[in-house]
Amino acid sequence: DIVMTQSPDSLAVSLGERATVNCKSSQSILYSSNNRNYLAWYQQKPGQPPKLLIYWASTRESGVPDRFSGSGSGTDFTLTISSLQAEDVAVYYCHQYYITPLTFGGGTRVEIK
Amino acid sequence: QVQLVESGGGVVQPGGSLRLSCAASGFTFNTYGMHWVRQAPGKGLEWVAFLRYDNTKEYYADSVRGRFTISRENSKSTLYLQMNSLRPEDTAVYFCAKDGLGSALYYFDYWGQGTLVTVSS
Repeated sequence: DIVMTQSPDSLAVSLGERATVNCKSSQSILYSSNNRNYLAWYQQKPGQPPKLLIYWASTRESGVPDRFSGSGSGTDFTLTISSLQAEDVAVYYCHQYYITPLTFGGGTRVEIK
Repeated sequence: QVQLVESGGGVVQPGGSLRLSCAASGFTFNTYGMHWVRQAPGKGLEWVAFLRYDNTKEYYADSVRGRFTISRENSKSTLYLQMNSLRPEDTAVYFCAKDGLGSALYYFDYWGQGTLVTVSS
């Protein structure tokens, strides 16, 4: 199974500042035939289901604010919130869909400092 | 707009069975694969199962293989999860989720609100 390791477990960032969440996969999730990284990011607020933010490691889902961006390739990935807003307080998960079983990172809680 | 509404959760004793349903609307159900994903109380996300749009291929997590069965009725735009031989560690909120692309396993672009399954004596 591909193990997804997120860091940090939690972080507190001031409003308007940058928040960075890291995700590392135990093997490459870059598919060489199409040069795509099979990685997605989700946001989950308390009492709500997860919401898709980013797929193919860097493609923003329709309607997601452009302060959210994804980067990385191979085994190392990053979700960046360029200017943290109050409504961004949530747990963020990375997810690999390169191979079954599909697996998630353990989550990173983002709070306001 | 896409809507996924789960039902069928509840309290069941260890060893018991439960059948979850997910009613879908707002998209062409019979052209997308569908997933079940669960979340134990206060824990992270765990993928459970996937079924192709045409019922021809299913995949399971090792933790549920042989005990859970995913199925669908395209005529009713409904996804199911039959859960047998339930264990306390199966206690979780179960979400149905739409696959983003459809024919294989990709990301989840829409999620239901979830239904809580509690396995306890």
